[in-house]
Amino acid sequence: DTGVSQDPRHKITKRGQNVTFRCDPISEHNRLYWYRQTLGQGPEFLTYFQNEAQLEKSRLLSDRFSAERPKGSFSTLEIQRTEQGDSAMYLCASSLEDGNTEAFFGQGTRLTVV
Amino acid sequence: QQPVQSPQAVILREGEDAVINCSSSKALYSVHWYRQKHGEAPVFLMILLKGGEQKGHEKISASFNEKKQQSSLYLTASQLSYSGTYFCGTGNTGKLIFGQGTTLQVKP
Repeated sequence: DTGVSQDPRHKITKRGQNVTFRCDPISEHNRLYWYRQTLGQGPEFLTYFQNEAQLEKSRLLSDRFSAERPKGSFSTLEIQRTEQGDSAMYLCASSLEDGNTEAFFGQGTRLTVV
Repeated sequence: QQPVQSPQAVILREGEDAVINCSSSKALYSVHWYRQKHGEAPVFLMILLKGGEQKGHEKISASFNEKKQQSSLYLTASQLSYSGTYFCGTGNTGKLIFGQGTTLQVKP
């Protein structure tokens, strides 16, 4: 297994367009997390899954954001009607079921909304 | 509530030591430490759990004071490879709230 992979690595989109990102976690990991990171800040929690169940979603997350993990394997994060403020690095991480274990992060998808 | 890290930045010469602190206004169940190099993904360093258990696989030490709701990361005999931004994350379900980061630069 080569770790957590994210696709695409970079995305430039026009304001108002929808975008979708994909994350493939480490295969035996039950937990999958999405974070957003802007320049000079720590990763900000967005949502997480245990298998296919979405267990928590940040209250800061707009209704324009939705995430799925349909078969408990890969996950997608969709942003509808993108805004310039959505420009950020979107990081995916996975871990074993016990929340107090090492999380492995992917390289991220850098989104630029123009 | 986001944990607060100090200092915000530190510059060292190779071989020098540094301490990075992480404080929370809420009770801590665990503290996770990650290092992120520019343009790369955060990489796990260590987890400190309430009760004293520690999990990590680097030659880095840390402490966790539950009463003071603080953790400190100790970088001794720093190497050039230690350069990067260090984040502490707090939480008890796996979901982490990260601090704003401490940037460490190690110079030859």
